[in-house]
Amino acid sequence: SYVLTQPPSVSLAPGKTARITCGGDNIGSKSVHWCQQKPGQAPVVVIYYDTDRPSGIPERFSGSNSGNTATLTISRVEVGDEADYYCQVWDSSSDQGVFGGGTTLTVL
Amino acid sequence: EVQLLESGGGVVQPGGSLRLSCAASGFTFNTYAMTWVRRAPGKGLEWVSSISDSGDRTYYADSVKGRFTISRDNSKNTLYLQINSLRVEDTAVYYCAKDVGPYGSNWCDYWGQGTLLTVSP
Repeated sequence: SYVLTQPPSVSLAPGKTARITCGGDNIGSKSVHWCQQKPGQAPVVVIYYDTDRPSGIPERFSGSNSGNTATLTISRVEVGDEADYYCQVWDSSSDQGVFGGGTTLTVL
Repeated sequence: EVQLLESGGGVVQPGGSLRLSCAASGFTFNTYAMTWVRRAPGKGLEWVSSISDSGDRTYYADSVKGRFTISRDNSKNTLYLQINSLRVEDTAVYYCAKDVGPYGSNWCDYWGQGTLLTVSP
């Protein structure tokens, strides 16, 4: 089955730029979606189809996808951005959805 | 306003069965695929199952195949997840989510608040 690999944690100071990676075999050929989940809340998609932002998501959130790595970039991070972030794809070879292991973003 | 309300969670013994429900409102239910995602304590999100708009296509994670059955009643705007042969590792918050397309292979734009299933002796 298809595997997505994320770093377990990313920590940085407010105002810095966070980059959360998602590795997968030729992931650049797939559509990658990114979910944000804060404690006690339902997940929220912050990026879909690699680079698109749903309405209501700040422009500080952006995405890219090429080769074997997709990246979620959060500019000028705020304390309110602290959450778990997951990349997600649909694996058409197995007809299954796949989530990465998740990355906890801590804003110090 | 789109609303997804899960129910049916609780405490069940290993080997038991349970049916989760997700009542949907605020959109044309029978034109969108639906998905179940779970999060076990201390773990990350796990895709569980998806079903197409008409219900004729269903998809399952390897970890639940053969034990879970996803279904929908479009006349009642309700999604279901029948869970049999429950295992301790099925303990999780189960979320239902609305797909943006009809087939179940896209992203989910709306999510419920989840229902907690605890499998314990």
